[in-house]
Amino acid sequence: AQKITQTQPGMFVQEKEAVTLDCTYDTSDQSYGLFWYKQPSSGEMIFLIYQGSYDEQNATEGRYSLNFQKARKSANLVISASQLGDSAMYFCAMRAIIQGAQKLVFGQGTRLTINP
Amino acid sequence: GAGVSQSPRYKVAKRGQDVALRCDPISGHVSLFWYQQALGQGPEFLTYFQNEAQLDKSGLPSDRFFAERPEGSVSTLKIQRTQQEDSAVYLCASSQRWGGLIYNEQFFGPGTRLTVL
Repeated sequence: AQKITQTQPGMFVQEKEAVTLDCTYDTSDQSYGLFWYKQPSSGEMIFLIYQGSYDEQNATEGRYSLNFQKARKSANLVISASQLGDSAMYFCAMRAIIQGAQKLVFGQGTRLTINP
Repeated sequence: GAGVSQSPRYKVAKRGQDVALRCDPISGHVSLFWYQQALGQGPEFLTYFQNEAQLDKSGLPSDRFFAERPEGSVSTLKIQRTQQEDSAVYLCASSQRWGGLIYNEQFFGPGTRLTVL
């Protein structure tokens, strides 16, 4: 079954610290993609970073990096030097084939709170 | 516009009423998606359009849900005879291209929060 698991319902981090949000996935596909989205209280899903299954290097986008461990089927998001504006829900998602069609499958999310 | 827009942002309906939710994708985006997000959950796929063609509607929970994109741009998600379990945020997303060997990121709108009383 195609599934994303985020085991941390909530995390609290001090401002300026680094934070790692966990994501594990389950798929039998050889080709797949992993996404991280941020959802602030306004509700909009904001794309952060993408990792393809064949990408050998971990993806990075500014303060965001994706720690991709293919053998362990994990794709953790690392945010360096956290800021108050990073407080939001974070969703890990996988592009997967379900019933012959490509879909985005989301995890249940992690609520990140940055404390001043 | 610069991003995906949705209207209305909030909708309260009495059980049994019909509702229509609108999505304006980013100009030029071929692919359009609808998701349903229950409180405290991640979004769940409802349906997918490529231009005006509805290529996948496997996520629509019942035949009360209907989506269209007649001119390959604006899309409407219609829910007939709403029920309390339909209460959720409905998110629309668009992408330059989705399928084959090309998968661009999906850009999401702010969502429509539907409350069925």
